[in-house]
Amino acid sequence: QSALTQPRSVSGSPGQSVTISCTGTSSDVGGYNYVSWYQQHPGKAPKLMIYDVSKRPSGVPDRFSGSKSGNTASLTISGLQAEDEADYYCCSYAGSYTFHVVFGGGTKLTVL
Amino acid sequence: QVTLRESGPALVKPTQTLTLTCTFSGFSLSTSGMCVSWIRQPPGKALEWLALIDWDDDKYYSTSLKTRLTISKDTSKNQVVLTMTNMDPVDTATYYCARIWCSSWYIDYWGQGTLVTVSS
Repeated sequence: QSALTQPRSVSGSPGQSVTISCTGTSSDVGGYNYVSWYQQHPGKAPKLMIYDVSKRPSGVPDRFSGSKSGNTASLTISGLQAEDEADYYCCSYAGSYTFHVVFGGGTKLTVL
Repeated sequence: QVTLRESGPALVKPTQTLTLTCTFSGFSLSTSGMCVSWIRQPPGKALEWLALIDWDDDKYYSTSLKTRLTISKDTSKNQVVLTMTNMDPVDTATYYCARIWCSSWYIDYWGQGTLVTVSS
């Protein structure tokens, strides 16, 4: 199965907002509202930031928000902070006739 | 408190079979909607989904690796085991086990990961 498409890198200054896109197809991102986003700091396991396209788990700051339009999901981080610098991965359910889930290629967020 | 911990060899030789064990606590894999999955990440590269087993003992595999993978569970021991045959240096990666809510297909808990190096 093909990975979802994410930009290799994005950057922003403290206090600014950045958006990371995640493009799939009608068989994954566009077909289901089961998109999740994960933050990964170097040497650490990923951490769930968004699930079901736009829901935030308890403890995740409301600076993190998710959305979806057609086959593209987006993660927006507002009020950037230094600790937001990390890799971000999107993930989508891909239906029961293929392997069930697929990850994006990851985006490196740099806080300038 | 939910925890997952991966265990297995840190080094395997090419062509050997890798066996990894995920020991978890804080939940039961017999709960409806509960799944456990294996995911790997080669050094400096992206996450890759490998295999998943659900509360009903249904098993799903990456289409590209399905001929090499077997996932199983021992509910009484709270363990999920992954075997991968015919290991190759390109399989060098950190292997994670993770808990998934299969009702919404998101991972809410990850193990810390275990680095497996394939080298002669």
